[in-house]
Parts: sequence; C-alpha cells; structure tokens
Amino acid sequence: DGGITQSPKYLFRKEGQNVTLSCEQNLNHDAMYWYRQDPGQGLRLIYYSQIVNDFQKGDIAEGYSVSREKKESFPLTVTSAQKNPTAFYLCASSIGQGTGELFFGEGSRLTVL
Amino acid sequence: AQSVSQHNHHVILSEAASLELGCNYSYGGTVNLFWYVQYPGQHLQLLLKYFSGDPLVKGIKGFEAEFIKSKFSFNLRKPSVQWSDTAEYFCAVKDDYKLSFGAGTTVTVRA
Repeated sequence: DGGITQSPKYLFRKEGQNVTLSCEQNLNHDAMYWYRQDPGQGLRLIYYSQIVNDFQKGDIAEGYSVSREKKESFPLTVTSAQKNPTAFYLCASSIGQGTGELFFGEGSRLTVL
Repeated sequence: AQSVSQHNHHVILSEAASLELGCNYSYGGTVNLFWYVQYPGQHLQLLLKYFSGDPLVKGIKGFEAEFIKSKFSFNLRKPSVQWSDTAEYFCAVKDDYKLSFGAGTTVTVRA
C-alpha cells in the first residue's frame, strides 16, 4: 500500500531533550511537509521540502530542524529550543508543490514532561 | 500569507439534518481552495477542491462546496448528514507555494 508512515505514534520526552520524528513516503512524491496541529489553531506549517537536499522554513520553524537526504524521507527534530513542543505533528507529501493536494500520515503525538 | 477563518468551532446535528460550514479567506488573487476531513482515528484526507471553472464543486460522500469570489468564501455543504460524517473539517487555501489551514470545525452527528 502506498502512503506515508510516521513514527512513533506517541512519544514522551523530558524537557531539554531533542526528539526526532520519522516520516517516510512510498508515493514517489517530490514535496514533503511538516505541520503542527494544536486544538483550535488548525495546522501550522513548520518546514517543507520541494526536492531532495533542499528545504524551507514555514511559519513556525523556530526550535525545529529537518533534513531531506532521500526523496522518501523527511525527519523532523524537535530541539530543546522549541518553547512549547507538546503537540500533534503531521507529515504530508504532494506530487509537486503546486497542487495543494496533500497526503497525510497518521501523525505523531509528542508530550514533553 | 492567507488567513483562513472557519466560523464554527463545533457543530452538533441530528442525522438527516443539513450541514453548512463557513470558510473565508483574507485576500483575493489566484487561489486554490480545499476542504480536508479527519474522521476519528483516521488520516486527514482531501474532501474536495476548487482550482477553476464551475464554482460549485462536488466531493466525496455527497459533500459540495461553493466558491464565491466576491465574498472570499468557500462554504461546505451536505443536504443530509449521516452519523458517519462525524469528523473534524478543515478549510485550506493555497496561494503561491503555501497551503494555509483554518482552525477546523468539529462536526458531531447524533444518531
């Protein structure tokens, strides 16, 4: 089955620790995205990548980092600099950046204790 | 960047009632418009989209949306809801590179 796989689904970490969330897609999509979902705020764009070895900051990139070394993989690191990291994180991909038609993973819920 | 407003945070309906969810975006120009839906325990998925042409677009599961350019609106409708329509609905607007989402509306359909 083609799709997007995010792991882990649930993650608990202590304050001050960096955390890496995995996102893998087998849809052969060029563009990949990370969104953060908070209650009452919808989805906010953290980072996006149009092509391998290239990525751009979204609206709320501070405290996060990404890499895009392979087409199918776009991991997100939540660093200790992120002031409010507890959230639901969604990874998505699209054929190209132009369409707006995104395919989403199931999400990863990060809780920082 | 676009600002996307969804008028209702939570809507509660009985089965067979009609549903309309409002969505407005902040400024004009060429935009692509979307409604995404997240059913309980499932992925966020595309419900319908508007790129150009007929401003009344039909999506999956009997949903439709109307683009009114003069009002910067893209409201979602369904004439008769079912219990299985219980979900969170997100309006999204794309201009240039970025897809901006509204805050979402939770729809609860009572059997």
